[in-house]
Amino acid sequence: GQQLNQSPQSMFIQEGEDVSMNCTSSSIFNTWLWYKQDPGEGPVLLIALYKAGELTSNGRLTAQFGITRKDSFLNISASIPSDVGIYFCAGRVAGNNRKLIWGLGTSLAVNP
Amino acid sequence: GAGVSQSPSNKVTEKGKDVELRCDPISGHTALYWYRQRLGQGLEFLIYFQGNSAPDKSGLPSDRFSAERTGESVSTLTIQRTQQEDSAVYLCASSLQGDSYEQYFGPGTRLTVT
Repeated sequence: GQQLNQSPQSMFIQEGEDVSMNCTSSSIFNTWLWYKQDPGEGPVLLIALYKAGELTSNGRLTAQFGITRKDSFLNISASIPSDVGIYFCAGRVAGNNRKLIWGLGTSLAVNP
Repeated sequence: GAGVSQSPSNKVTEKGKDVELRCDPISGHTALYWYRQRLGQGLEFLIYFQGNSAPDKSGLPSDRFSAERTGESVSTLTIQRTQQEDSAVYLCASSLQGDSYEQYFGPGTRLTVT
């Protein structure tokens, strides 16, 4: 089945550092979504991307839809302790059904 | 509240018992999804509803799993004869339309089978 490769699997950084994570696919996607999941909660949508090359920001978060349509990255600038959590990418294969394909997540730990 | 709600938040059951998990989607959302998330893992798609119909059941792991939706609103995920490997968090999400790209998640039900 379809899979997304999300990396890194985990990160441990110092407060104030910038963070970058990415997802790649073997198929062309028409949508990329980035979610954050806090412990004991469901994932919360951070950024949605719909067009190749699109660059979208949400506060300190910036995500881009790769021009090949097979990848996306999420950057977090000036990290703070509340950025701790698991970040998931998800995408929809172009021309396919409505099911989202999910990455396995990037676990982020921030040392204050 | 206006978000997706799920109940119970936690469920502990004995192996072999049946369980029912409930999801109340955001009002007006026609699409509803169930996922399973094992500890430390990503999201595993189970089933998708458009209205009260389930055009995609491909993720249900066995015939012990079933789901229904009524009134284009509440959905129930039923697991019969639970096994220890069923222990996980079961997440429900809804979206405005089936081809709407943004899914909104509930807090999940943590199921523990002893």
